[in-house]
Amino acid sequence: GESVGLHLPTLSVQEGDNSIINCAYSNSASDYFIWYKQESGKGPQFIIDIRSNMDKRQGQRVTVLLNKTVKHLSLQIAATQPGDSAVYFCAENPPHQFYFGTGTSLTVIP
Amino acid sequence: DVKVTQSSRYLVKRTGEKVFLECVQDMDHENMFWYRQDPGLGLRLIYFSYDVKMKEKGDIPEGYSVSREKKERFSLILESASTNQTSMYLCASTTESGNTGELFFGEGSRLTVL
Repeated sequence: GESVGLHLPTLSVQEGDNSIINCAYSNSASDYFIWYKQESGKGPQFIIDIRSNMDKRQGQRVTVLLNKTVKHLSLQIAATQPGDSAVYFCAENPPHQFYFGTGTSLTVIP
Repeated sequence: DVKVTQSSRYLVKRTGEKVFLECVQDMDHENMFWYRQDPGLGLRLIYFSYDVKMKEKGDIPEGYSVSREKKERFSLILESASTNQTSMYLCASTTESGNTGELFFGEGSRLTVL
């Protein structure tokens, strides 16, 4: 099966600091990537996506970077807030399938 | 607002019971999925469906079956629940051809098998 991994299972940041969450993927055929946020007891929510013809995409306070050479994906959250505390996981999407990382638990310290 | 609705948020069942988990989406999506989510293992695909009455096994189909009688509804069935099926179950749907598109998730059904 595919392997989508995250470099750190947990991450703690001070409120107001920037957060960086990393993800490695393995399928060179993947042409679409998504970051999800999952709060405790809830289903995953879409944060931002990026297609393989792009290196960077920005949303509101979030940026996704894609490095296809080393099959690496990162999520940057600017000015992290307490409401950002959640599990974040990446998903890669080769044709006809989705593969998910195990997640990084982000804790924001007030 | 697009929505994937899972009928039961929390269930407690006994070993050997038959369990139905229902999922309905209102986005007219062709593709629907059932995943289970366990700590440290991430999301693992149980079954998926690309069309009505169509189903395909995912990575961990053993002990499960599915039903897709209508486009908007995808049901997961545990014929005889076992304790190792205690988990969070997530339904998802997407419409993009070839599945290169956002996957919309329901809120999850947390099943405990005693």
